[in-house]
Amino acid sequence: EVQLVESGGGLVQPGRSLKLSCAASGFTFSNYYMAWVRQAPKKGLEWVATISTSGSRTYYPDSVKGRFTISRDNAKSSLYLQMNSLKSEDTATYYCARVAEGRGFAYWGQGTLVTVSS
Amino acid sequence: DVVMTQTPVSLSVSLGGQTSISCRSSQSLVHSDGNTYLYWYLQKPGQSPQLLIYKVSNRFSGVPDRFSGSGSGTDFTLKISRVEPEDLGVYYCYQGTHYPWTFGGGTKLELK
Repeated sequence: EVQLVESGGGLVQPGRSLKLSCAASGFTFSNYYMAWVRQAPKKGLEWVATISTSGSRTYYPDSVKGRFTISRDNAKSSLYLQMNSLKSEDTATYYCARVAEGRGFAYWGQGTLVTVSS
Repeated sequence: DVVMTQTPVSLSVSLGGQTSISCRSSQSLVHSDGNTYLYWYLQKPGQSPQLLIYKVSNRFSGVPDRFSGSGSGTDFTLKISRVEPEDLGVYYCYQGTHYPWTFGGGTKLELK
């Protein structure tokens, strides 16, 4: 059974940093692209980052480019999201997702809430 | 960025009934590799989103055949037949053809 478990969320002040983690199990982690998707409170979904199987290629929307960094450790079956220079508009539940079926998000974690506030 | 417009924003349906959701993209979703990376997700209350349909019309593993996707180019439709209580929630379309990948605003399906 595919499992994705996020951690690392919490309350952080604007301008500070936070690092999210996602522990994967139930599949061969190194074979799949992985991604982060977020959802602001009571809002829709926004793609945040994607990383290739080896980690050599990463992709971001302009809203987080230069501030967020996605990375992975295939030996540990773990995905990360380093978030710097956080803004109030980054407040959201962050989901870890396995990319499959082309470019879809086939499996999702339960999410971790990040609140950016002073 | 590709804008994904879903209609309607909300929908009331009777149990056992049929309904459909429309998703229109601001540009064609046909990729240069020939694929159309259009997906449908359902987010049930209090849960993470789940994949229903991938690449326009393919049901994901375990998704009942009451769900069907169709469309091409810029116009896509999700049809739900024989609606059951577990179908309620917010439906999102999503495109993975053009960066940045983008979602529609969502359609909330409620019971009539």
